[in-house]
Amino acid sequence: DSGVTQTPKHLITATGQRVTLRCSPRSGDLSVYWYQQSLDQGLQFLIQYYNGEERAKGNILERFSAQQFPDLHSELNLSSLELGDSALYFCASSVAVRQETQYFGPGTRLLVL
Amino acid sequence: EDQVTQSPEALRLQEGESSSLNCSYTVSGLRGLFWYRQDPGKGPEFLFTLYSAGEEKEKERLKATLTKKESFLHITAPKPEDSATYLCATNTDKLIFGTGTRLQV
Repeated sequence: DSGVTQTPKHLITATGQRVTLRCSPRSGDLSVYWYQQSLDQGLQFLIQYYNGEERAKGNILERFSAQQFPDLHSELNLSSLELGDSALYFCASSVAVRQETQYFGPGTRLLVL
Repeated sequence: EDQVTQSPEALRLQEGESSSLNCSYTVSGLRGLFWYRQDPGKGPEFLFTLYSAGEEKEKERLKATLTKKESFLHITAPKPEDSATYLCATNTDKLIFGTGTRLQV
């Protein structure tokens, strides 16, 4: 158990809908990262937040957004969902702002029908 | 463009048959090379961080080494519970992951 929690574990929705994925980092970690993992593309970095502020952006679509709250938990919002958004979404956390060792949560499996 | 390549894509070993997994990288400003283990449908589990060429780290049957252009994950006398996908990642301004090596013991 990494200490990173994610909810929900599974999510099934329809195209065009909007969903919110939630992540709580390990105790004491200030950075939260979001990743998407699909069968054909591997683990892709989406976005990083540090202590409430956006710090780095990867291959995140404009339909996706994230935020980190004062209690350090983070939410990833996915809107106007498409079939191709079906994937595993992982949250990771680390102590500091520089992307050193990250600890991953169990993931949320999203299926868009 | 920063790139991480892992080989082989898949590897099947007999129990006790040692082998090595390769991670080659072309990145500028490397700030760490990471190895993770991932079981199907689960989050990656952190194994090692290596920072400089010549560095080695060990954990049970696993040993990771780093050169200026690649890293190796050596698996000595593997057991069935070592079966997983092993991912490497480099840290520049973001983590770049390889596509992994699926190991079956």
